[in-house]
Amino acid sequence: GENVEQHPSTLSVQEGDSAVIKCTYSDSASNYFPWYKQELGKGPQLIIDIRSNVGEKKDQRIAVTLNKTAKHFSLHITETQPEDSAVYFCAASRITQGGSEKLVFGKGTKLTVNP
Amino acid sequence: NAGVTQTPKFQVLKTGQSMTLQCAQDMNHEYMSWYRQDPGMGLRLIHYSVGAGITDQGEVPNGYNVSRSTTEDFPLRLLSAAPSQTSVYFCASRRGGRGEAFFGQGTRLTVV
Repeated sequence: GENVEQHPSTLSVQEGDSAVIKCTYSDSASNYFPWYKQELGKGPQLIIDIRSNVGEKKDQRIAVTLNKTAKHFSLHITETQPEDSAVYFCAASRITQGGSEKLVFGKGTKLTVNP
Repeated sequence: NAGVTQTPKFQVLKTGQSMTLQCAQDMNHEYMSWYRQDPGMGLRLIHYSVGAGITDQGEVPNGYNVSRSTTEDFPLRLLSAAPSQTSVYFCASRRGGRGEAFFGQGTRLTVV
């Protein structure tokens, strides 16, 4: 089955700096790669996702890049702010026989943005 | 829309007790799933359902049962609680089983 590795497990940056979180996946058939942000005491929330037919996607200060050949994808946050402090999860999935996508999550990265 | 609602938010059980974690969604999503979140382990899939009457096992199903009698509800049952089931449990739903997963606020369960 799919295995997703996420690094680093913790990341501390100064406000205004950039933050990069990296994930690798094992199943070459995976074709959907979302990123979730989990604030303290809340459920994860989707912040950006990418499908395997594109290499990069951007939404304001957040971008995701995908390298299908190397089977890795990354989350880039620019001009970090204290409210970006949270746990971030990457995930990978493929279409199952039933037509749904079964998400497999990385273990998470705790990002701390210091004012 | 309330989205995905989980109850209770907190629960303490004694070893051997049984209980049901409730999950309801009002988005008419076909796909619902249960995850457990443990420190350093990320989110692991327990059970999932692609529609009413259809359920299947995820990565860590042992000790848990599910049923899906309606589109809206997907309860998770612990048959005989064990300390290893101490965790935070999240329910999620997705439209058509693809794209964005909407998560509930979680249930923090402690088994003593």
